[in-house]
Amino acid sequence: DTGVSQNPRHKITKRGQNVTFRCDPISEHNRLYWYRQTLGQGPEFLTYFQNEAQLEKSRLLSDRFSAERPKGSFSTLEIQRTEQGDSAMYLCASSPGRALAGHNYGYTFGSGTRLTVV
Amino acid sequence: AQSVTQPDIHITVSEGASLELRCNYSYGATPYLFWYVQSPGQGLQLLLKYFSGDTLVQGIKGFEAEFKRSQSSFNLRKPSVHWSDAAEYFCAVESGNTPLVFGKGTRLSVIA
Repeated sequence: DTGVSQNPRHKITKRGQNVTFRCDPISEHNRLYWYRQTLGQGPEFLTYFQNEAQLEKSRLLSDRFSAERPKGSFSTLEIQRTEQGDSAMYLCASSPGRALAGHNYGYTFGSGTRLTVV
Repeated sequence: AQSVTQPDIHITVSEGASLELRCNYSYGATPYLFWYVQSPGQGLQLLLKYFSGDTLVQGIKGFEAEFKRSQSSFNLRKPSVHWSDAAEYFCAVESGNTPLVFGKGTRLSVIA
């Protein structure tokens, strides 16, 4: 397993267009997280899945944002009607269950998708 | 509210000097504590973590951190900084079922 993979690495889109990002987690990990990071800030939590169930969504996740993890494996994050304020790095992470992982527990992050809305 | 504070936005140290990056958190119970490093345009790499037990933890690249319950702190240290350590450092905390919460980060510059 080569870690968490995110595609595309970069996306430039015009305001008002829809975009979709993909995240492939580490295959043994049942939890998958999406974060957003703007310049000079720490990553901010957006949403997370345990298997295919979306368990929590941040207030940052407006109704223009939707995330799915249909078979409990890869996940997609879609942004509809993009705005310039959506420009950011979108990070995906995965983790095993805390109880089973013990001291191996932790989040593994992908390299992110950088979105620029023009 | 749960929060993670990194008081120093930017730190500059000379190569070979020691380093300490501060992190404070506000959570009820002892949380899981992490330090990550991020180079420009890259994802986050885990440096070290603390769950329980010995309060001084060793990580990769010669970094260590000490958990101090009385001060709600988890400061990152390195005895001798290398130019390649220049990056952004993030402290992060997980408590209960709340996913990882990050501080705003500390940018480290290393001068010759």
